Amino acid sequence: EVQLVESGGGLVQPGRSLKLSCAASGFTFSDYYMAWVRQAPTKGLEWVASISYDGGSTYYRDSVKGRFTISRDNAKSSLYLQMDSLRSEDTATYYCTTDRGGSGWYFDFWGPGTMVTVSS
Amino acid sequence: DIQMTQSPASLSASLGETVTIQCRASEDIYSGLAWYQQKPGKSPQLLIYGASSLQDGVPSRFSGSGSGTQYSLKISSMQTEDEGVYFCQQGLKYPYTFGAGTKLELK
Repeated sequence: EVQLVESGGGLVQPGRSLKLSCAASGFTFSDYYMAWVRQAPTKGLEWVASISYDGGSTYYRDSVKGRFTISRDNAKSSLYLQMDSLRSEDTATYYCTTDRGGSGWYFDFWGPGTMVTVSS
Repeated sequence: DIQMTQSPASLSASLGETVTIQCRASEDIYSGLAWYQQKPGKSPQLLIYGASSLQDGVPSRFSGSGSGTQYSLKISSMQTEDEGVYFCQQGLKYPYTFGAGTKLELK
């Protein structure tokens, strides 16, 4: 059974940093692109970043480019999101997802999410 | 960025009723379209990918169709457990973008 479990969320002041982790199990982690998707309270879904199988390619939405870094450790079946210079608009639940391609790319498995609150 | 417009924003349906949700892309996305269901307090679950392929384990009353810029999700017989919010998502180009969601309630 595929399992994705996020950790590392919490309350952080604007301008500070936070690092999210995602522990994956139940599938061959290195066979999948991975992604982070976020959802602000009572809002819709927003793709944040994706990373290729070996971590050699990374992709970001413009609003986080230069502030967030997605990475992975295939030996540990783990995905990470380093978030620097946090802003209030980054407040959201962050979901770790598998990022599958075929006829378009889509997110087939999701973790339960970890909440990040950016506030002074 | 590709804009995804969903309609309606909300709807209510009776048990056994057929439900259709629409999604329009701002440009041709060549069937690179997925649908998700999200229940309160839970993470989204993939229902349909590639515009019309049913994800493993999803009931066959769910179906997707469309091409170009116009897509739809159909629930052939509304059930209690189908209440929730439904999102479409384009997976053709970065940044991947989602529709604003359609809230489906049981009448």
